Amino acid sequence: QKEVEQNSGPLSVPEGAIASLNCTYSDRGSQSFFWYRQYSGKSPELIMFIYSNGDKEDGRFTAQLNKASQYVSLLIRDSQPSDSATYLCAAGGGYQKVTFGIGTKLQVIP
Amino acid sequence: SAVISQKPSRDICQRGTSLTIQCQVDSQVTMMFWYRQQPGQSLTLIATANQGSEATYESGFVIDKFPISRPNLTFSTLTVSNMSPEDSSIYLCSAEVKNIQYFGAGTRLSVL
Repeated sequence: QKEVEQNSGPLSVPEGAIASLNCTYSDRGSQSFFWYRQYSGKSPELIMFIYSNGDKEDGRFTAQLNKASQYVSLLIRDSQPSDSATYLCAAGGGYQKVTFGIGTKLQVIP
Repeated sequence: SAVISQKPSRDICQRGTSLTIQCQVDSQVTMMFWYRQQPGQSLTLIATANQGSEATYESGFVIDKFPISRPNLTFSTLTVSNMSPEDSSIYLCSAEVKNIQYFGAGTRLSVL
């Protein structure tokens, strides 16, 4: 059973701080990793994807992948109240089924 | 990316009836997916729908309960049949474009 594990939270950070969201996955064969943001009552929206070990930056967001440790993270710099949402980590894609984690609820406190 | 239109956005249905959810993609895609999301839970894959072949169902989901059509490369439907209150959930369709899944807005289903 392929699994993606996340702490469900909530993770509370003050406005302007760095939010760090973490995820581990069980399938060493996973090649693609995704972070989706889901606002309450809305569908998941892609934030970042990463395929290679290391960091990938896009604006205030940085995805980090460590395949040896089977670990994926998402850093959100200068967190804003509008970043308050549930963040879903996912692994797989292409010819592999995508497995989603339960999501981490992030609360950015003004 | 892909823009996915899903309808209805919500519905309230009576026990024993069926509901068909439609999903339209703005480009041709090979793989489409149907998920269910219970409140506070993650996404559970119901089935994968590839054009020109039968849908592939995940463990715990059967074709008689969740028949799926995929008549062309831009459209798919999911029917929730003989509904019971346990089917109350959010149903999401997604399409894969360049290895990335994009989601429709979802259908919030309540069964009385």
